[in-house]
Amino acid sequence: NAGVTQTPKFQVLKTGQSMTLQCAQDMNHNSMYWYRQDPGMGLRLIYYSASEGTTDKGEVPNGYNVSRLNKREFSLRLESAAPSQTSVYFCASIHSGNTGELFFGEGSRLTVL
Amino acid sequence: GEDVEQSLFLSVREGDSSVINCTYTDSSSTYLYWYKQEPGAGLQLLTYIFSNMDMKQDQRLTVLLNKKDKHLSLRIADTQTGDSAIYFCAEFMDTGRRALTFGSGTRLQVQP
Repeated sequence: NAGVTQTPKFQVLKTGQSMTLQCAQDMNHNSMYWYRQDPGMGLRLIYYSASEGTTDKGEVPNGYNVSRLNKREFSLRLESAAPSQTSVYFCASIHSGNTGELFFGEGSRLTVL
Repeated sequence: GEDVEQSLFLSVREGDSSVINCTYTDSSSTYLYWYKQEPGAGLQLLTYIFSNMDMKQDQRLTVLLNKKDKHLSLRIADTQTGDSAIYFCAEFMDTGRRALTFGSGTRLQVQP
């Protein structure tokens, strides 16, 4: 049982380049999330998708776009990467009605030069 | 997260108890959580408490909730070196944005 799978695990970009972080879950969860983790700031919500076909902005959405391709997959796109987007990105999922046990991927470490 | 605050660092000796504290600001939070993050890994749920409870105990873990002061704590009894990690508290509201808001995390260092 894979749980939540993120790719890539590591990526180095130059300022202005674009890339997409992929996330897939095999637990039939309705809701999916993208967080970024920065030292001393905990996890901050970028975007979330409460169900297939819907997406909503979180706390720090600027510079990002998302796509909920189907129930399994939720991708995060950086159209024009900036050094401020250097971070560790986590995808997570939860089944609606659950008591908040988010299942996390292992993270994607992104460096923007 | 701006609405959930934690101290950044705690150091204890092996065998002692650890107490990690958290304050939150939204009184409409329905659930409060403690997550653990080991180096290079994602977060894993340790325990959670409903907002209408004062205390929850689960083996070596005790969660205390003071709803009046919006204060949550996690006590780890007989702390082991394997408990060294970052601990995050988080709140969840059933209305509006259905997502967890995390604190900045407390790094627990257990010295042998």
